[in-house]
Amino acid sequence: SQTIHQWPATLVQPVGSPLSLECTVEGTSNPNLYWYRQAAGRGLQLLFYSIGIDQISSEVPQNLSASRPQDRQFILSSKKLLLSDSGFYLCAWSLPPGNYGYTFGSGTRLTVV
Amino acid sequence: QKEVEQNSGPLSVPEGAIASLNCTYSDRVSQSFFWYRQYSGKSPELIMSIYSNGDKEDGRFTAQLNKASQYVSLLIRDSQPSDSATYLCAVSKAAGNKLTFGGGTRVLVKP
Repeated sequence: SQTIHQWPATLVQPVGSPLSLECTVEGTSNPNLYWYRQAAGRGLQLLFYSIGIDQISSEVPQNLSASRPQDRQFILSSKKLLLSDSGFYLCAWSLPPGNYGYTFGSGTRLTVV
Repeated sequence: QKEVEQNSGPLSVPEGAIASLNCTYSDRVSQSFFWYRQYSGKSPELIMSIYSNGDKEDGRFTAQLNKASQYVSLLIRDSQPSDSATYLCAVSKAAGNKLTFGGGTRVLVKP
């Protein structure tokens, strides 16, 4: 069966510091991968999605970036965090190319102070 | 106009009653529709998917889709306190597999 791992679970970072969040999927090949952010009391905002290695699409311009160095690994990064980057970051995967819904990781709660 | 709209709630429901959640979407080419449940502090989990007009039942959950009205709903029968959560409606277009989420409806089931 497929599983998705996301870490760390919580993170407190100062403004201006770098960020690296990692997500890996097991039990499937060539998944579609996604990064979402959920601000407090808000809906899910799609940040990046990837249909393959080094194939990344950005949905919202901001100071975040994503990379997919391996088929089942997805990394969200920032060189300098802003206060507005605080939120609940969720990685998700889906089977391409059909629309079967996503499976989410457990999430990372990021607080920028 | 938001792509996917939901009433934020809270929707307060007595235990054992039916909770009715609604969702409207703006893009007529949308093909796939999903309901996720999210407990406070946790990640969303998929509870229902529906692709064609009509009703789809799974246990105590029934999803209803009306593409002509661009409307999808979720019924929770025999509501339990453990159903208290935020329910997210998500919509996917035919091209690609990106899900667009509504803001969610918070449901409170009172014993």
